[in-house]
Amino acid sequence: SQQGEEDPQALSIQEGENATMNCSYKTSINNLQWYRQNSGRGLVHLILIRSNEREKHSGRLRVTLDTSKKSSSLLITASRAADTASYFCATDAFSGGYNKLIFGAGTRLAVHP
Amino acid sequence: NAGVTQTPKFRVLKTGQSMTLLCAQDMNHEYMYWYRQDPGMGLRLIHYSVGEGTTAKGEVPDGYNVSRLKKQNFLLGLESAAPSQTSVYFCASSKGQGGEKLFFGSGTQLSVL
Repeated sequence: SQQGEEDPQALSIQEGENATMNCSYKTSINNLQWYRQNSGRGLVHLILIRSNEREKHSGRLRVTLDTSKKSSSLLITASRAADTASYFCATDAFSGGYNKLIFGAGTRLAVHP
Repeated sequence: NAGVTQTPKFRVLKTGQSMTLLCAQDMNHEYMYWYRQDPGMGLRLIHYSVGEGTTAKGEVPDGYNVSRLKKQNFLLGLESAAPSQTSVYFCASSKGQGGEKLFFGSGTQLSVL
């Protein structure tokens, strides 16, 4: 079963608008990560937020984490056509003696010029 | 800087055939992972390795075997391919356990007819 689930599944906006994607998870975490995947490519790490952090910024990206609600959001400000991609949240899950990353199903973002 | 390299990029198999996917990383990472990505299901962990000579099962290990004879290489084998194994396969590596950011290869598109 998926640890993280993104919402919405798909998002379509105009260039210059902000895009917000949400992630909910089920069990306690040490940290949460967001990744981006361009069509036909591998995933690229965007940002990591630890469980004791509430907000983190990186360029046009803003990530929030609410551990009481077991949810996170990724905000992309002033979106560009080049931001068109799928975005995945990933949470760490401890089992079998090791900590592993479990990914959600992703949000497909389309930014139209 | 090559990062994580996967070969081959595309492969078509007939049911019952076998093949090996090769992953190589040049970052001296201890941890390596094999994920599969299916539409609407995000990435699911097949097997992982926490160091040279070690392997462990992930979420969906059935039908796959792995080996990590050298630190920089992680091989994924399909002994008898089935149509249900049609997917995109991604290799990833990390410096430490899940919780550390992952570096991904560009993927292998596998079709089993």
